[in-house]
Amino acid sequence: LAKTTQPISMDSYEGQEVNITCSHNNIATNDYITWYQQFPSQGPRFIIQGYKTKVTNEVASLFIPADRKSSTLSLPRVSLSDTAVYYCLVGSYSSASKIIFGSGTRLSIRP
Amino acid sequence: DTGVSQDPRHKITKRGQNVTFRCDPISEHNRLYWYRQTLGQGPEFLTYFQNEAQLEKSRLLSDRFSAERPKGSFSTLEIQRTEQGDSAMYLCASSPRGQLVTEAFFGQGTRLTVV
Repeated sequence: LAKTTQPISMDSYEGQEVNITCSHNNIATNDYITWYQQFPSQGPRFIIQGYKTKVTNEVASLFIPADRKSSTLSLPRVSLSDTAVYYCLVGSYSSASKIIFGSGTRLSIRP
Repeated sequence: DTGVSQDPRHKITKRGQNVTFRCDPISEHNRLYWYRQTLGQGPEFLTYFQNEAQLEKSRLLSDRFSAERPKGSFSTLEIQRTEQGDSAMYLCASSPRGQLVTEAFFGQGTRLTVV
């Protein structure tokens, strides 16, 4: 199973760029990297997904080095509403049971 | 709201009772997933349906747990003879055909408390 490792928590301030790194040393060739955001008492919300290099959408950017053993979620100019838990996971088309969310990174944004 | 809908949002039950949760996925999503989440942990996979077929089940899903998806639309998750360790948030998610199983839309969950 492709397990991921993330920092337990991070703090930042409004307006800053936040980078959360995830390691996934045993990622498989056909695995994609996906990030979710979760607020208290809500289900996770998909943020971004990628296979290699860089992916950007209206919310975040995802940087994946050539060896794909890690990835970095970048949140530009965070606000208080970005305070949440962020999960990194890897998986593919093949098996839902192999998806592991882990404990996530608890991001706290201060004014 | 056309998102994933779960009912009830909260359930308190006595140990030993049976409970059933319902999930209505996003219309036309043929894939449906159930997860369990305990405090401070990420969601743990329980089971996965493609249409009405239950394709995968976690070993976490003991014989007290059963899930169905008749006609490939809504799904139910039943827990028999509940135990205090079953207290958790039960999350349902769905995704459309052709999408990676890692990209799913989650409901707001059903919080179960077993007393």
